[in-house]
Amino acid sequence: SYVLTQPPSVSVAPGQTARITCGGNNIGSKSVHWYQQKPGQAPVLVVYDDSDRPSGIPERFSGSNSGNTATLTISRVEAGDEADYYCQVWDSSSDHPDWVFGGGTKLTVL
Amino acid sequence: QVQLVESGGGLVKPGGSLRLSCAASGFTFSDYYMSWIRQAPGKGLEWVSYISSSGSTIYYADSVKGRFTISRDNAKNSLYLQMNSLRAEDTAVYYCARGKQENYYGMDVWGQGTTVTVSS
Repeated sequence: SYVLTQPPSVSVAPGQTARITCGGNNIGSKSVHWYQQKPGQAPVLVVYDDSDRPSGIPERFSGSNSGNTATLTISRVEAGDEADYYCQVWDSSSDHPDWVFGGGTKLTVL
Repeated sequence: QVQLVESGGGLVKPGGSLRLSCAASGFTFSDYYMSWIRQAPGKGLEWVSYISSSGSTIYYADSVKGRFTISRDNAKNSLYLQMNSLRAEDTAVYYCARGKQENYYGMDVWGQGTTVTVSS
């Protein structure tokens, strides 16, 4: 089955830029989605189809995807961005489709 | 407003059964596929099951295949997950989520989750 690899944690100071990576075999050929989850809350979609933002998501959130790595970039990080972030793809390479999630990255705002 | 509300979670003994429900409102339910995703305590997200907008196509994660059954009632704007032969490792918060197209757009609306605890 398809595997997505994320760093367990990323730390950044307020106002700086955070980059969270998501590695997968030829992930550049797939559409990658990113979810933010704060403690005790449901996940929220923050980027879909590699780089698009749902309505209501700040422009500070952006994404890219190429080769074997997709990246979620959060510019001008705020304290309220502290959360777990998960990448996700739809994989149809096996005998049945899978909605695959990365292991998650905890973003800490210093 | 667009909303998904899960219910039906609780404490159940190993080998027992539970039926989760997800009530949708604020959108045309029959236009969307639906999925169940779970999160074990302190762990990441795990996709559990998918059902197409019409209900004609269904998939399960290998970890629940043969034990869980997903279904939907578009007339009632409701999604269900029948869970049988429950194991300790099924303990998790279960979320329902909607999607427009399997490969694109992601899952843009999630419920608040319902907690399932499997323990003797």
